[in-house]
Amino acid sequence: EDQVTQSPEALRLQEGESSSLNCSYTVSGLRGLFWYRQDPGKGPEFLFTLYSAGEEKEKERLKATLTKKESFLHITAPKPEDSATYLCAVEPRFQTGANNLFFGTGTRLTVIP
Amino acid sequence: NAGVTQTPKFRVLKTGQSMTLLCAQDMNHEYMYWYRQDPGMGLRLIHYSVGEGTTAKGEVPDGYNVSRLKKQNFLLGLESAAPSQTSVYFCASISRQGSSGYNEQFFGPGTRLTVL
Repeated sequence: EDQVTQSPEALRLQEGESSSLNCSYTVSGLRGLFWYRQDPGKGPEFLFTLYSAGEEKEKERLKATLTKKESFLHITAPKPEDSATYLCAVEPRFQTGANNLFFGTGTRLTVIP
Repeated sequence: NAGVTQTPKFRVLKTGQSMTLLCAQDMNHEYMYWYRQDPGMGLRLIHYSVGEGTTAKGEVPDGYNVSRLKKQNFLLGLESAAPSQTSVYFCASISRQGSSGYNEQFFGPGTRLTVL
């Protein structure tokens, strides 16, 4: 069964305090792993896609990495505007659907000034 | 481009009432999806469509129906609403080829539905 687990559920950081969010997954062949950002009352906003173990992607203070079992979202010197819920999702390679994604429950990040 | 839009933004229903949620996208995407998001559960797929006139069931389809009469619109219907359908509903769309090479899904702003 395809499954995505994110940890921690919630994370409070001081501004400038770097940390990492974890996404572990079990999937019958990985086509892609996606990271999204979701602000309160809004829809998820795409951040990154990772396709194979060892791959890394960066955007401003965020860097996503991928291994065969998990992905990390590293946040370097975060700012208050980075506060949001970060969602991880996987797209199984073998599925009957069409680019269907399986989501984790997210990590709620709060960055304190 | 407006991207993915959803109407209404909020709605309160009584048990047994019916309603339709509308999703529209102006990106000429082939695939469209309806999700529900509940606390502690993550986003779960209700129904999806791979093209005009086609629909398929996702992970949690019971109590919902969908239609895709036009490529740009995807409708989600609740025939007889139940309190268990209180949730936030998101629509998403994707180009079959992946518009930017990433195959990411573009999400709408959501509809917050409460069933009393």
